[in-house]
Amino acid sequence: EAGVAQSPRYKIIEKRQSVAFWCNPISGHATLYWYQQILGQGPKLLIQFQNNGVVDDSQLPKDRFSAERLKGVDSTLKIQPAKLEDSAVYLCASGNYGYTFGSGTRLTVV
Amino acid sequence: DQQVKQNSPSLSVQEGRISILNCDYTNSMFDYFLWYKKYPAEGPTFLISISSIKDKNEDGRFTVFLNKSAKHLSLHIVPSQPGDSAVYFCAASALTGTASKLTFGTGTRLQVTL
Repeated sequence: EAGVAQSPRYKIIEKRQSVAFWCNPISGHATLYWYQQILGQGPKLLIQFQNNGVVDDSQLPKDRFSAERLKGVDSTLKIQPAKLEDSAVYLCASGNYGYTFGSGTRLTVV
Repeated sequence: DQQVKQNSPSLSVQEGRISILNCDYTNSMFDYFLWYKKYPAEGPTFLISISSIKDKNEDGRFTVFLNKSAKHLSLHIVPSQPGDSAVYFCAASALTGTASKLTFGTGTRLQVTL
């Protein structure tokens, strides 16, 4: 079974620029999550999708972050404009309970 | 508000000995608990879980214990191996149908020495 695919692996941008991350979940998984992991902290949920509907986006900074899941499969997470404090690893996961994470995208905002 | 706490940022254990990683939680709605293991530059990998209806779950060298009255769980690794060196995250969920948002602790870095 293929895992959760994420791209890019690394991204460096200047503050106020925009950036987008892509995720392809495990085939057949209806639930998809985006987590943010800041250095020294545990992952924090940004948004949860069930198929292409949003289940929970209560911790998504909606003034700058947006996410979509087209046709209930792939998902993109966008930040516009980026701030220094957005520097983190962005993790995508799919499944239920003991779900599978991708390798993440490490974002550095300078 | 840190609902899941791992108070030990790091732990060093000799190969072959027992590793005990601890986790405390404050939200009494949590009823499913998981441990994830994370190597550098990789995403967290699911290791073992336990439901609140149990107090112990075992999988090979890994055992998770849950003390609901104390709101405490622990992960025991016996015997510890050098490949177990990683960051371990405790996570908790309040089961609500298919919703399974996980709340994570800050992690404990385990180093298994020769």
